[in-house]
Formats: sequence, structure tokens, C-alpha cells
Amino acid sequence: DTGVSQDPRHKITKRGQNVTFRCDPISEHNRLYWYRQTLGQGPEFLTYFQNEAQLEKSRLLSDRFSAERPKGSFSTLEIQRTEQGDSAMYLCASSLRAGGSTRTDTQYFGPGTRLTVL
Amino acid sequence: GDSVTQMEGPVTLSEEAFLTINCTYTATGYPSLFWYVQYPGEGLQLLLKATKADDKGSNKGFEATYRKETTSFHLEKGSVQVSDSAVYFCAPSQTGANNLFFGTGTRLTVIP
Repeated sequence: DTGVSQDPRHKITKRGQNVTFRCDPISEHNRLYWYRQTLGQGPEFLTYFQNEAQLEKSRLLSDRFSAERPKGSFSTLEIQRTEQGDSAMYLCASSLRAGGSTRTDTQYFGPGTRLTVL
Repeated sequence: GDSVTQMEGPVTLSEEAFLTINCTYTATGYPSLFWYVQYPGEGLQLLLKATKADDKGSNKGFEATYRKETTSFHLEKGSVQVSDSAVYFCAPSQTGANNLFFGTGTRLTVIP
């Protein structure tokens, strides 16, 4: 496995359109995270899954955003009715949560999907 | 709430100079600490990590020590190379959660 992959790498859309991004994690990883990074800033957490369960959502994740991980493997992030403020790099990361561990897992990031909303 | 303060950039150094990028954090719990690096045109890569007090993370000549008493995790390298030019992010884990919260990043440029 070569790492976390994301598709597409770039997306340009018009305001009001819906967009969907896909993330394929490292194959044996049971946790998957979504972050958003705007220009000149560090990534901000959006949500994460353990297997197919969405365990946490940031208040940044408005009701226009929805994420799924239906079979506990790949994940999709959909943004409905896009706004110009949604323009950002959307990053996916995955990690392996070992049973009984209490420390934060090491997260491995994909290359990101750059969204531009015109 | 949890927060991280990272040394502002940009930082420009000559090749073989000593590098320090300061990072301090505020957390109510006992976070794990990470440094990530983003090379031009690439995604975030884990550089090093430390999970308990006094742990030293190291990789590619970079080091950082988990200082619980000063809530710091400063990144150091004794002799930087042009290839180290990148943006460096300090990222403690969120208290009581598994996500990371990132600093604003420090852009390093190393000139020959």
C-alpha cells in the first residue's frame, strides 16, 4: 500500500453546486479523519470515523457538509450548495487504533483535494 | 480551550545553520505531540512525535523533546540543508479526543 489517496486532486465548481470528494485510507487503518486547510493556515479538524462509525464532528462541519464511510474502508465528503468560503484544501488522514491504547494514534495524510468555488 | 502557538515565519537560514522552531501549547490533559512537514506541492508528512513527558522524537536530523513543565515541543536541527525548505506544523492532540490541532505553520527557506 502506498499511502492515503484522495480523489480528485483539484475541483473547481460554481457557487451553489454540490461536490463530493473521496478518500482511500491505508488499507489496515481503522480510523479516518477529515481536515480542512485554508491558505496560510494549519489544518482544522472536521470529523473522524472508526470503522464505519462517525465518532466526532467539529462545529466547523455545517449542515451542508456530510461525510460517510459506509463499509469502513473509503470515505466520501460531500458539500452541498457550495459557498466561496468553502474554498480550501480538504485533507484526509488515516490511522491504526490499537486495542487498549490510550495515546493518540499517528495520523498519515493524503495529498488533499483543493476546492475552488467561483 | 486547547491551543498551540508556533513561531511565526518565514524563517530564512543559510545551509548548515542551526534551526529552532518554537512551539508551545495549552491543553487541559496530557496530549501526544507531533511535528508535521509540508514540502512544496506535497501533502503533510509526519516528521516526528513524542507521547509522554521527556520523550525525544527524532527523524532526519530533526529533534524535539516533550517538555511538560513548560508545555513546549520545540523543533531543532543542527545543520539545515536546502532540501529542508518546507512548512513545519506543530500539532498536539486535542484533549480527550483523537484529532490533532495545528499551529499556523512556520515556513523555512534554506539558501545555499
